[in-house]
Amino acid sequence: QIQLVQSRREVKKPGASVKVSCKTSGYKFTSYGVSWVRQAPGQGLEWMGWISTSKGDRNYAQKFQGRVTMATDTSTNTVFMELRSLTFDDTAVYYCARDARTPKISVISDYWGQGTLVTISS
Amino acid sequence: SFVLTQPPSLSVAPGQTARIACGGNDLGSRSVHWYQQKPGQAPVVVVYDDSDRPSGIPDRFSGSKSGNTATLIINRAEAGDEADYHCQVWDNSRAHPVFGGGTQLTVL
Repeated sequence: QIQLVQSRREVKKPGASVKVSCKTSGYKFTSYGVSWVRQAPGQGLEWMGWISTSKGDRNYAQKFQGRVTMATDTSTNTVFMELRSLTFDDTAVYYCARDARTPKISVISDYWGQGTLVTISS
Repeated sequence: SFVLTQPPSLSVAPGQTARIACGGNDLGSRSVHWYQQKPGQAPVVVVYDDSDRPSGIPDRFSGSKSGNTATLIINRAEAGDEADYHCQVWDNSRAHPVFGGGTQLTVL
């Protein structure tokens, strides 16, 4: 079955960096791009960016430009997201999600990781 | 940038029909998708392309759209339907998804 398994929770200090991994299985890794979406406590879903698992193309949300890097490792079917210069506002659950085209040529995130809680604390 | 608007919360009695709205400019020309998110869990697609249902989603869940408003309809609401529901469209010009703010559904 299709699975996206993320790394464990993290606690970081302000100014530090965090790297979250997302190991995929159950489908052809290079056939689907992966998005990262975060959710601050009590808030909605916020898209951070997307990476192509076949070509390595990236599309980052303007809000995170210069502070986020996404990468893939095709040998382990894993996607990574690194966020730098962390502030208290970055405390959130971070999700990876597989993106798929729909019949009406839109895009949905059809499978999601379990989420990784990143807490920024001094 | 494109904005989707949802009511923050909605309450419905068990067995009744819940209708969760999602509004946005030019929504009529975009496919709308809906996610259900239960506490402590990742989102799950319950409706995609306005009104289609993934396999495994009960037919009590359906979607409709009229003009610039899309609606997720949950018939015969159950306690197990309590969750946050998020609508989403794809912004072609910026090549990224846009999410609504989410609606917390209470069944009581």
